[in-house]
Amino acid sequence: SYELTQPLSVSVALGQTASITCGGNNIGSKNVHWYQQKPGQAPVLVIYRDNNRPSGIPERFSGSNSGNTATLTISRAQAGDEADYYCQVWDSSTTVVFGGGTKLTVL
Amino acid sequence: QVQLVESGGGVVQPGRSLRLSCAASGFTFSSYNIHWVRQAPGKGLEWVAVIWYDESKKNYADSVKGRFTISRDNSRNTLYLQMNSLRVEDTAVYYCARDHAMDRMLDYWGQGTLVTVSS
Repeated sequence: SYELTQPLSVSVALGQTASITCGGNNIGSKNVHWYQQKPGQAPVLVIYRDNNRPSGIPERFSGSNSGNTATLTISRAQAGDEADYYCQVWDSSTTVVFGGGTKLTVL
Repeated sequence: QVQLVESGGGVVQPGRSLRLSCAASGFTFSSYNIHWVRQAPGKGLEWVAVIWYDESKKNYADSVKGRFTISRDNSRNTLYLQMNSLRVEDTAVYYCARDHAMDRMLDYWGQGTLVTVSS
């Protein structure tokens, strides 16, 4: 089965840029979606199909996907961006796979 | 607005059964595939199952295959998850989530219902 690998944690200084990676075999050939989850809340979609933002998501959130790595980038990080972030793909168009999640800390 | 509201969670002994429900509103329920996703305490998201809009396909994670059954009633705008032979490791918050038909991401999520399997 397909596996996605994320770093357990990423730290970023307030106002700086954070990058969260999601590794998978030839992930560049898949559509990658990203979710933000704050404590006690349901996940929220922040990037879909590699680099698209749903309405209401700030332009500070962007994504890229190539080769074996997809990346979620958060520019001008704010305290409110502190959360767990999960990448997600479909495996063989039949099952959904989530990465293990990355805890973003804004210092 | 799109709303998904889960119910049916609670405390259950290992080996027993439980049925979760997810009531949908604010969109044409019968046109969308819907998922169940769970999250054990302090852990990450784990996909559980998906059902196609017309019930033509149902797919399951290996961890629940043969024990859980996903179903829906489009006349009641409701999704179900029948969970049998429950194990301690099934303890989690269970979310239902809508599958965006074109881009296949999970674009709306419910707030979740907690299932605790314990003797």
